[in-house]
Amino acid sequence: GENVEQHPSTLSVQEGDSAVIKCTYSDSASNYFPWYKQELGKRPQLIIDIRSNVGEKKDQRIAVTLNKTAKHFSLHITETQPEDSAVYFCAAGKSTFGDGTTLTVKP
Amino acid sequence: DAGITQSPRHKVTETGTPVTLRCHQTENHRYMYWYRQDPGHGLRLIHYSYGVKDTDKGEVSDGYSVSRSKTEDFLLTLESATSSQTSVYFCAISGGGLAQLGADTQYFGPGTRLTVL
Repeated sequence: GENVEQHPSTLSVQEGDSAVIKCTYSDSASNYFPWYKQELGKRPQLIIDIRSNVGEKKDQRIAVTLNKTAKHFSLHITETQPEDSAVYFCAAGKSTFGDGTTLTVKP
Repeated sequence: DAGITQSPRHKVTETGTPVTLRCHQTENHRYMYWYRQDPGHGLRLIHYSYGVKDTDKGEVSDGYSVSRSKTEDFLLTLESATSSQTSVYFCAISGGGLAQLGADTQYFGPGTRLTVL
């Protein structure tokens, strides 16, 4: 079955810096790649997604890039703010999630 | 929140007892899902539904059953709870509804924290 690996597991940045989280997937048939943000004790919330016919998508300070050949996709957060601190999950489709990255943004 | 609620929000039960968790949605979404989330891990799909009385197994379906007799309700049952089923359970929806979501675009419920002693 599909497998998703997510790196790094923890990431600490200074406010205003950029953060990058990377995921690799195994099934070349996968065509939908969402990213979720989960604050402590809360539900996962969809923040951005990308489909396999697109190489990059941007929404304000958040962007996602997809490399189908290499089977990896990345989340980029620019100008980080303390409220960006949370756990971020990538997924391939709706059934396979990465183990999460804990992002800490230091003021 | 796409009109999704889960009940109960917290439950403590004993090994061997049956447990039913309820997911309720008010916006007529076609697809519904049950996931479990354990510390340090992402979400794992237990079961999903693609319509009334249409369900299928996910990656970790052993020990769980589901039912969907109405569009708005998706029930997850642990026939005989075990300590390994202690987890946070999230329901999700996708497809259709007031926001005309795509089949892939998921919104999650608030979660149910289940502890099996």
